[in-house]
Amino acid sequence: QKEVEQDPGPLSVPEGAIVSLNCTYSNSAFQYFMWYRQYSRKGPELLMYTYSSGNKEDGRFTAQVDKSSKYISLFIRDSQPSDSATYLCAMKKAGGSYIPTFGRGTSLIVHP
Amino acid sequence: GAGVSQSPSNKVTEKGKDVELRCDPISGHTALYWYRQSLGQGLEFLIYFQGNSAPDKSGLPSDRFSAERTGGSVSTLTIQRTQQEDSAVYLCASSLGGSGYGYTFGSGTRLTVV
Repeated sequence: QKEVEQDPGPLSVPEGAIVSLNCTYSNSAFQYFMWYRQYSRKGPELLMYTYSSGNKEDGRFTAQVDKSSKYISLFIRDSQPSDSATYLCAMKKAGGSYIPTFGRGTSLIVHP
Repeated sequence: GAGVSQSPSNKVTEKGKDVELRCDPISGHTALYWYRQSLGQGLEFLIYFQGNSAPDKSGLPSDRFSAERTGGSVSTLTIQRTQQEDSAVYLCASSLGGSGYGYTFGSGTRLTVV
């Protein structure tokens, strides 16, 4: 079992839909949680990061962490075709190793 | 520079040849990371530099892989005697300090071994 599990999709939704992207993990020591967006033939770019549990909102994006369930989510409201990309979750332990563990990424397609 | 620059953007090489991949991080970023991304495999960590030192090179898959960083800036990843399984996109990222989050990635080098 991988430390971080993420459904690769693809997830196809109509424009304007609310999108939910998720990752589960097995290492309870993870404290920092990140979401990256990767367009085709580009490197990943950091969208959001959160520390420990709770929600964080930035515009149309909301990141949610449930440490008791070892489950994190990224919600995209009013999805746009420009949101079509691969979304990777990443997480790391506090202190110790500084190397995050990435999920495989979920491919999202928002069609007009 | 404004972003992380990687070169070449594409590289096709014959099996058994050596290749060098270059990463030019954001000016002032002390931490530099190399990752490999294969289809369906996600991001695989290779090596981490803090300044010119590599405190974590645990992800290098074999002794055919090596990397160096000079002047706390440019880094080179070298793959010797390339094999077909080395075909992947090699991504470089940099960050201020070694916090492990807030990476800025380059666009990668797409390596194809034929």
